[in-house]
Amino acid sequence: EADIYQTPRYLVIGTGKKITLECSQTMGHDKMYWYQQDPGMELHLIHYSYGVNSTEKGDLSSESTVSRIRTEHFPLTLESARPSHTSQYLCASSESTGTGNEPQHFGDGTRLSIL
Amino acid sequence: AQTVTQSQPEMSVQEAETVTLSCTYDTSESDYYLFWYKQPPSRQMILVIRQEAYKQQNATENRFSVNFQKAAKSFSLKISDSQLGDAAMYFCAYRSAGGNEKLTFGTGTRLTIIP
Repeated sequence: EADIYQTPRYLVIGTGKKITLECSQTMGHDKMYWYQQDPGMELHLIHYSYGVNSTEKGDLSSESTVSRIRTEHFPLTLESARPSHTSQYLCASSESTGTGNEPQHFGDGTRLSIL
Repeated sequence: AQTVTQSQPEMSVQEAETVTLSCTYDTSESDYYLFWYKQPPSRQMILVIRQEAYKQQNATENRFSVNFQKAAKSFSLKISDSQLGDAAMYFCAYRSAGGNEKLTFGTGTRLTIIP
């Protein structure tokens, strides 16, 4: 199993709160990703990073922001949570082999519910 | 833009039998990668199998194999000797070989194993 960790696993919180979802990996992977997944639906890429100080927006527009100050850490922040942010958030990482077929290793996800 | 279609929202198979999950995709690119990921209930998503588009030989991993038909843009997954632990959501995913980090996922197929 991959060494990528997400906390918290579950979070129920009120509207307007600032939230940070944590993601850490111990594999030394340069590339990291955040996906949003509604129940029973496909994953949508919302952010990714090629390495330290690199962040890019994915296909799905998101009000969240990310940072990559350390290789192993890729937190996602919502400044003011809204009910529309209720979803599951999956973090992933992969090696940079240059081949393009390197698999992404996923964390367990954070199920976020905004009341 | 690439799209991935999984036309079977749910499938079931008797334990020890064989099941095939369908996936089609749309792309104008000639070089790309295809993946099948498995997401067990409340557990990490993990890679099942991957295929490089430039390889004609179908990938196999133990009981899992693919039928890759490049001209038809089809990438089905065959699971032989189904086991209870195979029960999960299965996602087909596409990735361009052109340096784009994006994985495009299908909507998934929920596989149930009948004891």
